[in-house]
Amino acid sequence: AQKITQTQPGMFVQEKEAVTLDCTYDTSDPSYGLFWYKQPSSGEMIFLIYQGSYDQQNATEGRYSLNFQKARKSANLVISASQLGDSAMYFCAMVPKGYSTLTFGKGTMLLVSP
Amino acid sequence: EPEVTQTPSHQVTQMGQEVILRCVPISNHLYFYWYRQILGQKVEFLVSFYNNEISEKSEIFDDQFSVERPDGSNFTLKIRSTKLEDSAMYFCASSRGGKGELFFGEGSRLTVL
Repeated sequence: AQKITQTQPGMFVQEKEAVTLDCTYDTSDPSYGLFWYKQPSSGEMIFLIYQGSYDQQNATEGRYSLNFQKARKSANLVISASQLGDSAMYFCAMVPKGYSTLTFGKGTMLLVSP
Repeated sequence: EPEVTQTPSHQVTQMGQEVILRCVPISNHLYFYWYRQILGQKVEFLVSFYNNEISEKSEIFDDQFSVERPDGSNFTLKIRSTKLEDSAMYFCASSRGGKGELFFGEGSRLTVL
């Protein structure tokens, strides 16, 4: 079974600053994928970034990067240069290789202030 | 850009009534999913569907739930006799392959009174 832990229920950051959202996971599968999704107040789930467990480099997508530390089983999301539109819930999720079912964490609410 | 669409965006129903939530996945995707999110809680997997049959389901997906792909485009979730605790946001998702990025719809909010 997989488990995702997001220990930060909420985070505050000022516009233009960087912020790190924590995610740790637990799995016995040797191969897996890690995802981050953004959920704004409107409710939809927006894919942000993906990291495969055997990827040599940390994933980056524009202002989003994933600080993947396999030995620590952590997959923290780093948002550089925060924008007001980044205010949302952020969910970390994982899926074991060969399967398609995502297991989600409880989420972190990010609030970006001017 | 292709997207997953869901209808209705919000449905209010009486306890015990049947509800059908509809989804149109992205056209060249082969795997379809339903997830739900009870207000303030995390997103939970319900069921995945591939090749016209259920490939995985969670313990939440009991006999009250069913899924169907009645034609080449729609993917539906039916709740036979709704309970108060079925109130949640229901997300449909699709993916091209069996792993990797899932594309989510905007969700259907179900309120059971």
